[in-house]
Amino acid sequence: AQSVTQLDSHVSVSEGTPVLLRCNYSSSYSPSLFWYVQHPNKGLQLLLKYTSAATLVKGINGFEAEFKKSETSFHLTKPSAHMSDAAEYFCVVSVMEYGNKLVFGAGTILRVKS
Amino acid sequence: KAGVTQTPRYLIKTRGQQVTLSCSPISGHRSVSWYQQTPGQGLQFLFEYFSETQRNKGNFPGRFSGRQFSNSRSEMNVSTLELGDSALYLCASSLGVGNQPQHFGDGTRLSIL
Repeated sequence: AQSVTQLDSHVSVSEGTPVLLRCNYSSSYSPSLFWYVQHPNKGLQLLLKYTSAATLVKGINGFEAEFKKSETSFHLTKPSAHMSDAAEYFCVVSVMEYGNKLVFGAGTILRVKS
Repeated sequence: KAGVTQTPRYLIKTRGQQVTLSCSPISGHRSVSWYQQTPGQGLQFLFEYFSETQRNKGNFPGRFSGRQFSNSRSEMNVSTLELGDSALYLCASSLGVGNQPQHFGDGTRLSIL
């Protein structure tokens, strides 16, 4: 079975400071991992994906994530937060053996203070 | 390239009615998946279609069904609506199988009165 735990339901940072959103996963197979962002009343936008290539993955809008198998973690980071980053972020796992089914974490709401 | 298009964006129904939601995938994408998003349960997988065949199904009652047409467009149907079916229903498309990244539409907001 697969599962995802996002360790913080809310994160608040000041504009210009680093962002860290934490995610741990559990999977019986080699997983693919994704981070998606959702702005209010919108669908989900793919930020980045890990599919067993490089462990440090760079995504859009300056975000990146590092896959650490020993820690079963896939934390999302950004060096400098921007007001437009305020949104809800989802860590997601999928396993080829289960087709395209995505298993979502509960989400982390990021607040950016000016 | 047009993204995933879901219609309608908003829908209000009453208990006991049925509803059909539509999803047009990105051109060339053959896999369509549906998800339900609620404040209490978060994002949950409903089902996935590929080449007009249901490949995978989540843990939802039989009132939830879907289909995919030869042009890859998909519909989702919910019969005998219940208050708990109020949710944002999201459709996602991908090129095919094998952990391809999925691209989401903006969803249909279904409210049950």
